[in-house]
Amino acid sequence: GQQVMQIPQYQHVQEGEDFTTYCNSSTTLSNIQWYKQRPGGHPVFLIQLVKSGEVKKQKRLTFQFGEAKKNSSLHITATQTTDVGTYFCAGQGTSYDKVIFGPGTSLSVIP
Amino acid sequence: EADIYQTPRYLVIGTGKKITLECSQTMGHDKMYWYQQDPGMELHLIHYSYGVNSTEKGDLSSESTVSRIRTEHFPLTLESARPSHTSQYLCASSEPRENTDTQYFGPGTRLTVL
Repeated sequence: GQQVMQIPQYQHVQEGEDFTTYCNSSTTLSNIQWYKQRPGGHPVFLIQLVKSGEVKKQKRLTFQFGEAKKNSSLHITATQTTDVGTYFCAGQGTSYDKVIFGPGTSLSVIP
Repeated sequence: EADIYQTPRYLVIGTGKKITLECSQTMGHDKMYWYQQDPGMELHLIHYSYGVNSTEKGDLSSESTVSRIRTEHFPLTLESARPSHTSQYLCASSEPRENTDTQYFGPGTRLTVL
Protein backbone atom coordinates (compact mmCIF):
# COMPACT_ATOMS: atom_id res chain seq x y z
CA GLY A 1 0.00 0.00 0.00
CA GLN A 2 0.89 3.63 -0.18
CA GLN A 3 3.52 4.83 2.29
CA VAL A 4 4.59 8.36 3.13
CA MET A 5 7.96 8.99 4.75
CA GLN A 6 9.46 12.15 6.19
CA ILE A 7 12.99 13.17 7.10
CA PRO A 8 14.40 14.21 9.40
CA GLN A 9 12.41 12.93 12.36
CA TYR A 10 13.76 15.69 14.60
CA GLN A 11 15.55 18.97 13.89
CA HIS A 12 17.01 21.43 16.35
CA VAL A 13 17.99 24.82 14.94
CA GLN A 14 19.23 28.10 16.29
CA GLU A 15 16.71 30.90 15.90
CA GLY A 16 17.35 32.60 12.57
CA GLU A 17 18.62 29.46 10.84
CA ASP A 18 16.76 27.87 7.98
CA PHE A 19 14.91 24.56 8.22
CA THR A 20 13.79 22.02 5.63
CA THR A 21 11.74 18.85 5.94
CA TYR A 22 11.33 16.34 3.13
CA CYS A 23 8.41 14.11 2.33
CA ASN A 24 8.51 11.06 0.04
CA SER A 25 5.71 8.82 -1.16
CA SER A 26 6.05 5.27 -2.42
CA THR A 27 3.42 6.01 -5.08
CA THR A 28 2.42 8.92 -7.29
CA LEU A 29 0.13 11.37 -5.52
CA SER A 30 -2.81 13.41 -6.69
CA ASN A 31 -2.04 16.05 -4.10
CA ILE A 32 -0.03 16.63 -0.96
CA GLN A 33 -1.00 18.58 2.12
CA TRP A 34 1.06 20.04 4.95
CA TYR A 35 -0.09 20.40 8.53
CA LYS A 36 1.49 21.95 11.62
CA GLN A 37 0.91 20.71 15.16
CA ARG A 38 2.05 22.93 18.00
CA PRO A 39 3.13 21.18 21.23
CA GLY A 40 0.00 20.12 23.09
CA GLY A 41 -2.22 21.07 20.15
CA HIS A 42 -3.83 19.41 17.17
CA PRO A 43 -2.74 19.36 13.50
CA VAL A 44 -3.77 22.44 11.56
CA PHE A 45 -3.88 22.56 7.78
CA LEU A 46 -1.25 24.80 6.19
CA ILE A 47 -1.42 24.28 2.44
CA GLN A 48 -2.16 21.87 -0.39
CA LEU A 49 -0.12 21.30 -3.55
CA VAL A 50 -1.73 19.73 -6.60
CA LYS A 51 0.33 20.42 -9.72
CA SER A 52 3.60 18.79 -10.71
CA GLY A 53 6.52 21.10 -9.81
CA GLU A 54 4.24 23.49 -7.93
CA VAL A 55 5.81 25.98 -5.53
CA LYS A 56 3.78 27.95 -3.00
CA LYS A 57 4.88 30.47 -0.40
CA GLN A 58 3.37 31.59 2.88
CA LYS A 59 5.53 34.36 4.32
CA ARG A 60 8.73 32.55 5.42
CA LEU A 61 7.43 29.09 4.43
CA THR A 62 8.06 27.67 0.94
CA PHE A 63 6.36 24.47 -0.18
CA GLN A 64 7.37 22.44 -3.23
CA PHE A 65 5.80 19.49 -5.00
CA GLY A 66 8.14 17.34 -7.06
CA GLU A 67 7.92 16.94 -10.80
CA ALA A 68 7.01 13.27 -10.44
CA LYS A 69 4.42 14.09 -7.74
CA LYS A 70 6.06 11.64 -5.34
CA ASN A 71 7.93 14.04 -3.09
CA SER A 72 7.55 17.39 -1.43
CA SER A 73 9.45 19.75 0.81
CA LEU A 74 8.75 22.48 3.31
CA HIS A 75 11.42 25.13 3.81
CA ILE A 76 11.32 27.74 6.56
CA THR A 77 13.58 30.75 6.18
CA ALA A 78 15.01 32.38 9.31
CA THR A 79 13.17 30.28 11.88
CA GLN A 80 11.46 31.89 14.84
CA THR A 81 10.36 30.38 18.16
CA THR A 82 6.79 30.49 16.87
CA ASP A 83 7.76 27.89 14.26
CA VAL A 84 8.22 25.22 16.94
CA GLY A 85 6.06 22.17 16.40
CA THR A 86 5.67 19.03 14.34
CA TYR A 87 5.18 19.35 10.60
CA PHE A 88 3.26 16.57 8.87
CA CYS A 89 2.91 15.97 5.18
CA ALA A 90 -0.12 14.01 4.00
CA GLY A 91 -0.48 12.47 0.57
CA GLN A 92 -3.56 11.41 -1.32
CA GLY A 93 -3.23 8.78 -4.00
CA THR A 94 -4.39 9.14 -7.57
CA SER A 95 -7.61 7.29 -6.77
CA TYR A 96 -8.45 10.05 -4.26
CA ASP A 97 -8.77 7.51 -1.49
CA LYS A 98 -7.54 8.00 2.08
CA VAL A 99 -5.08 10.73 2.92
CA ILE A 100 -1.93 9.10 4.32
CA PHE A 101 0.03 11.09 6.88
CA GLY A 102 3.80 10.99 7.15
CA PRO A 103 5.37 10.43 10.58
CA GLY A 104 6.16 14.12 10.98
CA THR A 105 9.27 16.23 11.58
CA SER A 106 9.56 17.77 15.01
CA LEU A 107 11.21 21.21 14.94
CA SER A 108 12.81 22.80 17.97
CA VAL A 109 14.07 26.37 17.79
CA ILE A 110 16.72 27.50 20.26
CA PRO A 111 16.38 31.20 21.08
CA GLU B 1 -10.76 27.36 12.00
CA ALA B 2 -13.30 24.59 11.48
CA ASP B 3 -16.11 23.62 13.82
CA ILE B 4 -15.25 20.21 15.19
CA TYR B 5 -15.60 19.38 18.85
CA GLN B 6 -14.41 16.61 21.11
CA THR B 7 -15.44 15.73 24.64
CA PRO B 8 -14.11 15.14 27.13
CA ARG B 9 -10.81 16.96 26.61
CA TYR B 10 -9.15 14.99 29.40
CA LEU B 11 -10.16 11.67 30.95
CA VAL B 12 -8.53 9.58 33.66
CA ILE B 13 -10.18 6.23 34.33
CA GLY B 14 -9.47 2.85 35.82
CA THR B 15 -8.76 -0.36 33.96
CA GLY B 16 -11.79 -2.26 32.74
CA LYS B 17 -14.11 0.74 32.42
CA LYS B 18 -16.20 1.34 29.32
CA ILE B 19 -15.75 4.78 27.82
CA THR B 20 -17.09 6.73 24.86
CA LEU B 21 -15.20 9.62 23.31
CA GLU B 22 -17.47 12.09 21.58
CA CYS B 23 -16.80 13.89 18.32
CA SER B 24 -19.14 16.29 16.56
CA GLN B 25 -18.77 18.57 13.56
CA THR B 26 -21.15 21.22 12.30
CA MET B 27 -19.79 21.52 8.76
CA GLY B 28 -21.87 18.73 7.24
CA HIS B 29 -18.75 16.81 6.23
CA ASP B 30 -19.31 13.26 5.02
CA LYS B 31 -15.85 11.95 5.91
CA MET B 32 -14.78 11.57 9.53
CA TYR B 33 -11.72 9.98 11.11
CA TRP B 34 -10.26 8.88 14.44
CA TYR B 35 -6.52 9.01 15.00
CA GLN B 36 -4.46 7.83 17.94
CA GLN B 37 -1.34 9.83 18.70
CA ASP B 38 1.24 9.53 21.46
CA PRO B 39 2.85 12.89 22.40
CA GLY B 40 5.06 14.18 19.62
CA MET B 41 4.64 11.04 17.57
CA GLU B 42 2.96 10.09 14.32
CA LEU B 43 -0.78 9.93 13.70
CA HIS B 44 -2.26 6.44 13.52
CA LEU B 45 -5.59 6.11 11.73
CA ILE B 46 -7.79 3.74 13.76
CA HIS B 47 -11.26 4.29 12.22
CA TYR B 48 -12.87 6.26 9.44
CA SER B 49 -16.29 6.82 7.93
CA TYR B 50 -17.35 8.05 4.52
CA GLY B 51 -20.90 8.78 5.56
CA VAL B 52 -23.88 7.67 7.64
CA ASN B 53 -23.85 3.93 8.39
CA SER B 54 -20.36 3.61 6.89
CA THR B 55 -17.43 2.70 9.15
CA GLU B 56 -14.06 1.15 8.38
CA LYS B 57 -11.07 0.09 10.41
CA GLY B 58 -7.91 2.07 9.86
CA ASP B 59 -4.29 1.07 9.54
CA LEU B 60 -3.66 0.59 13.26
CA SER B 61 -5.36 -2.32 14.96
CA SER B 62 -7.59 -0.99 17.70
CA GLU B 63 -9.86 -2.53 20.30
CA SER B 64 -12.25 0.37 19.94
CA THR B 65 -15.46 0.58 17.93
CA VAL B 66 -17.22 3.47 16.22
CA SER B 67 -20.67 4.28 14.92
CA ARG B 68 -22.02 6.82 12.42
CA ILE B 69 -25.76 7.19 12.86
CA ARG B 70 -25.78 10.91 12.12
CA THR B 71 -23.58 12.87 9.76
CA GLU B 72 -22.37 15.23 12.46
CA HIS B 73 -21.58 12.65 15.14
CA PHE B 74 -18.83 10.00 15.21
CA PRO B 75 -18.32 8.55 18.71
CA LEU B 76 -15.55 6.11 19.60
CA THR B 77 -16.10 3.46 22.29
CA LEU B 78 -13.68 1.38 24.32
CA GLU B 79 -15.54 -1.53 25.92
CA SER B 80 -12.83 -2.27 28.48
CA ALA B 81 -10.06 0.29 28.86
CA ARG B 82 -6.49 -0.82 29.54
CA PRO B 83 -3.30 1.12 30.36
CA SER B 84 -2.10 0.46 26.79
CA HIS B 85 -4.98 2.66 25.59
CA THR B 86 -3.40 5.69 27.25
CA SER B 87 -2.88 8.18 24.45
CA GLN B 88 -4.34 11.20 22.70
CA TYR B 89 -7.32 10.57 20.42
CA LEU B 90 -7.91 13.04 17.60
CA CYS B 91 -11.08 13.27 15.57
CA ALA B 92 -11.07 14.87 12.12
CA SER B 93 -13.50 15.52 9.29
CA SER B 94 -13.17 16.42 5.63
CA GLU B 95 -15.27 17.13 2.57
CA PRO B 96 -13.59 16.29 -0.72
CA ARG B 97 -13.96 19.06 -3.32
CA GLU B 98 -12.33 18.76 -6.73
CA ASN B 99 -8.63 18.23 -5.94
CA THR B 100 -8.78 18.87 -2.24
CA ASP B 101 -9.58 16.77 0.83
CA THR B 102 -8.42 18.96 3.70
CA GLN B 103 -8.80 17.43 7.14
CA TYR B 104 -10.01 19.54 10.05
CA PHE B 105 -8.99 18.25 13.45
CA GLY B 106 -10.72 18.56 16.78
CA PRO B 107 -8.77 19.55 19.91
CA GLY B 108 -8.32 15.93 20.97
CA THR B 109 -9.07 13.83 24.05
CA ARG B 110 -6.15 12.93 26.29
CA LEU B 111 -6.95 9.56 27.83
CA THR B 112 -5.11 8.07 30.79
CA VAL B 113 -5.99 4.57 31.93
CA LEU B 114 -4.69 3.63 35.35
